Amino acid sequence: GDSVTQMEGPVTLSEEAFLTINCTYTATGYPSLFWYVQYPGEGLQLLLKATKADDKGSNKGFEATYRKETTSFHLEKGSVQVSDSAVYFCALSRAGAQKLVFGQGTRLTINP
Amino acid sequence: KAGVTQTPRYLIKTRGQQVTLSCSPISGHRSVSWYQQTPGQGLQFLFEYFSETQRNKGNFPGRFSGRQFSNSRSEMNVSTLELGDSALYLCASKIGQDQETQYFGPGTRLLVL
Repeated sequence: GDSVTQMEGPVTLSEEAFLTINCTYTATGYPSLFWYVQYPGEGLQLLLKATKADDKGSNKGFEATYRKETTSFHLEKGSVQVSDSAVYFCALSRAGAQKLVFGQGTRLTINP
Repeated sequence: KAGVTQTPRYLIKTRGQQVTLSCSPISGHRSVSWYQQTPGQGLQFLFEYFSETQRNKGNFPGRFSGRQFSNSRSEMNVSTLELGDSALYLCASKIGQDQETQYFGPGTRLLVL
């Protein structure tokens, strides 16, 4: 079945460091790919998405590129801030399934 | 537009009781999905409703049920609560097409004692 695998956390970085959170997926067909972020005590917020191969999603300085050849959708940010501290979830949605399949989440902590 | 709203935000119940959670989608959205989030199992899909019909169901026991009303608002019900049902229950809405973005509410945190 469909699955998403994220790099294990927690990840701790200093402010202004470069961030990469790895995400790979297994799915039939051509899923849409998403990154969601969850701040403490809140629900999920969409961070970015990509709907086809080679698409790049971007938002708030975060980027991720849909790589079909490596079935990956890694999240990157060039310079993180303390306010980026949260849990990040990679997810996919496959045509006809009407549901999101999530990775296990990666907890990110940014120290000043 | 107002976002997805969920009520109540917090709930404490005891084993054996039942609970009903409510979700109001974004205006114009006809699809509502429910997810359970726990530290051990992560985010798991419960079910999805579109135009008052359940279109998809996750791998949960029959104690978990839901419904959707004509105004697209949705409720989920859990009967005979177990300790393991303690979780954050998240509702998400979308307009209705397959691979559109789902927008999440703040969740209802359920604690079963």
